[in-house]
Amino acid sequence: ELKVEQNPLFLSMQEGKNYTIYCNYSTTSDRLYWYRQDPGKSLESLFVLLSNGAVKQEGRLMASLDTKARLSTLHITAAVHDLSATYFCAAIIQGAQKLVFGQGTRLTINP
Amino acid sequence: KAGVTQTPRYLIKTRGQQVTLSCSPISGHRSVSWYQQTPGQGLQFLFEYFSETQRNKGNFPGRFSGRQFSNSRSEMNVSTLELGDSALYLCASSLGLAGGALGTQYFGPGTRLTVL
Repeated sequence: ELKVEQNPLFLSMQEGKNYTIYCNYSTTSDRLYWYRQDPGKSLESLFVLLSNGAVKQEGRLMASLDTKARLSTLHITAAVHDLSATYFCAAIIQGAQKLVFGQGTRLTINP
Repeated sequence: KAGVTQTPRYLIKTRGQQVTLSCSPISGHRSVSWYQQTPGQGLQFLFEYFSETQRNKGNFPGRFSGRQFSNSRSEMNVSTLELGDSALYLCASSLGLAGGALGTQYFGPGTRLTVL
């Protein structure tokens, strides 16, 4: 059974600092997703990582995937308040037709 | 292109009642998935439909059911509501492929169900 674990679950940081959210998954997965959720809102797709070594960047966010280590990271560079949200990673097994989500990381960025 | 829409957005029901939630996927998307989100359990998969067929089901009791219509719109039904069914129910659509690939899932705004 595929399990996905994120850490940390809560992260409070200051503007301008860098930090990384980690996402480990327990079995081979075909692809890894990162989503953002604002309070009371739905999930917004950020990145889809398809292969080992994949790296994607959008603004101050960069996601990477290491399939051998079964690890994905979401790196935040020079954080700004607008990035405050809950971030979820999710993995999928080909043919299983379902996403398995991590617990989410609640990120708070303080001025 | 219009996104995923869900109706209603908010619902208040009492224990023992039943409820039907609706989801309209992005035009051209044939796969619809349903997830339940609660503070305690996080995001949990309910079921996925493709071309009117349920392809996968999560670990939920039989009180939770769904269906998909020929236009890809989907409904989920919860019968004999319990307090623990209070949650945000999210629908997601993706292109989907007949061979099983899911593709990137795009989520709707959700239906917030409160059971009293």
